[in-house]
Amino acid sequence: RKEVEQDPGPFNVPEGATVAFNCTYSNSASQSFFWYRQDCRKEPKLLMSVYSSGNEDGRFTAQLNRASQYISLLIRDSKLSDSATYLCVVLRVGSQGNLIFGKGTKLSVKP
Amino acid sequence: NAGVTQTPKFQVLKTGQSMTLQCAQDMNHNSMYWYRQDPGMGLRLIYYSASEGTTDKGEVPNGYNVSRLNKREFSLRLESAAPSQTSVYFCASSELARLYEQYFGPGTRLTVT
Repeated sequence: RKEVEQDPGPFNVPEGATVAFNCTYSNSASQSFFWYRQDCRKEPKLLMSVYSSGNEDGRFTAQLNRASQYISLLIRDSKLSDSATYLCVVLRVGSQGNLIFGKGTKLSVKP
Repeated sequence: NAGVTQTPKFQVLKTGQSMTLQCAQDMNHNSMYWYRQDPGMGLRLIYYSASEGTTDKGEVPNGYNVSRLNKREFSLRLESAAPSQTSVYFCASSELARLYEQYFGPGTRLTVT
């Protein structure tokens, strides 16, 4: 099983749609999880952390299911500017900042 | 603040040539990282430096060396470039209290022929 796995997409959705991305991780001891966003030919940027209780930031909701080793990102009311690749990221257990990146899920929001 | 800067932006090398990728950050971060990103692959950590004076191997260190020149600068050297090192290279930095929040530079697109 790969350390971090994501559906590569692409997800093509109309403006205003709700879209959800999923991610699984292999190490049950993992403690810290994040979503990064990467625009085409640009550098990745932190979108949000994922907390055990679930967390929301505006139109974005992140959830963690430790039993299933599963992380999700929900985007409501999609905007054209949400078009990007979304990277699921796990902090390697016992490391100092050693992040494991998924391959990313590509989202394209159409007018 | 410029954040994280990288030079050069683009480079073409012939097999066997050497080069150094430069990275600098002006955020007073302690930790710095070098990643490579290949099509169809996630970003992979090459080397990192938790603090000035220390460097450690990441997931794919073979064929690379690094130098943490001072707190601001962290360079990546390819001693004898190979076509398999064709990639986009990103440098990143983070503060000790938030190691997971890494700020990335714009990347260097390297082609080895």
